[in-house]
Amino acid sequence: GENVEQHPSTLSVQEGDSAVIKCTYSDSASNYFPWYKQELGKRPQLIIDIRSNVGEKKDQRIAVTLNKTAKHFSLHITETQPEDSAVYFCAASKVSGGYNKLIFGAGTRLAVHP
Amino acid sequence: KAGVTQTPRYLIKTRGQQVTLSCSPISGHRSVSWYQQTPGQGLQFLFEYFSETQRNKGNFPGRFSGRQFSNSRSEMNVSTLELGDSALYLCASSYDYGGTEAFFGQGTRLTVV
Repeated sequence: GENVEQHPSTLSVQEGDSAVIKCTYSDSASNYFPWYKQELGKRPQLIIDIRSNVGEKKDQRIAVTLNKTAKHFSLHITETQPEDSAVYFCAASKVSGGYNKLIFGAGTRLAVHP
Repeated sequence: KAGVTQTPRYLIKTRGQQVTLSCSPISGHRSVSWYQQTPGQGLQFLFEYFSETQRNKGNFPGRFSGRQFSNSRSEMNVSTLELGDSALYLCASSYDYGGTEAFFGQGTRLTVV
């Protein structure tokens, strides 16, 4: 069935460093890839998303890249800050027909140390 | 604009009972999806409703059901509760189906004892 693998499961960086989280999806028809940030005790929040007709998207310190051939996409956070500490989830979906649902990766716990 | 609202926030139920959770989407959003979040299994898709129709269902037993009303509000029901149903249940709303630009509610924490 549909599957999204996410690595690493935990990531520890120093403040100011960059952090990269990678995801691989199984269904080549997937065309929508959002990233969510979930702080402890809070709801997942959409931080950035990308569609299959785009290879890269940036929003200030965060960026997402997509490689359709390899079926993987990555989240890049530059100049990390302590408030970036959270669990990050990637997801994949095939919009319009087929399975119209978000399949989530298992999550990456990011810790940014001052 | 109000966000996604889930009620109740916390529930404690006994094995064998049933429970109904409610989700009010963002005004104008027509799609509501439900997810179960547990430490061991992450975020698991339950089902999605769009314009009062269930468009897709995840791999959960028939004890899990849902519905959507004409105002897009959705309810999720779990019958014959089991200890393993203890989890955070999240709903997400989006304007269109497929989970695009989906915004989550704060969740309902269900504990089955």
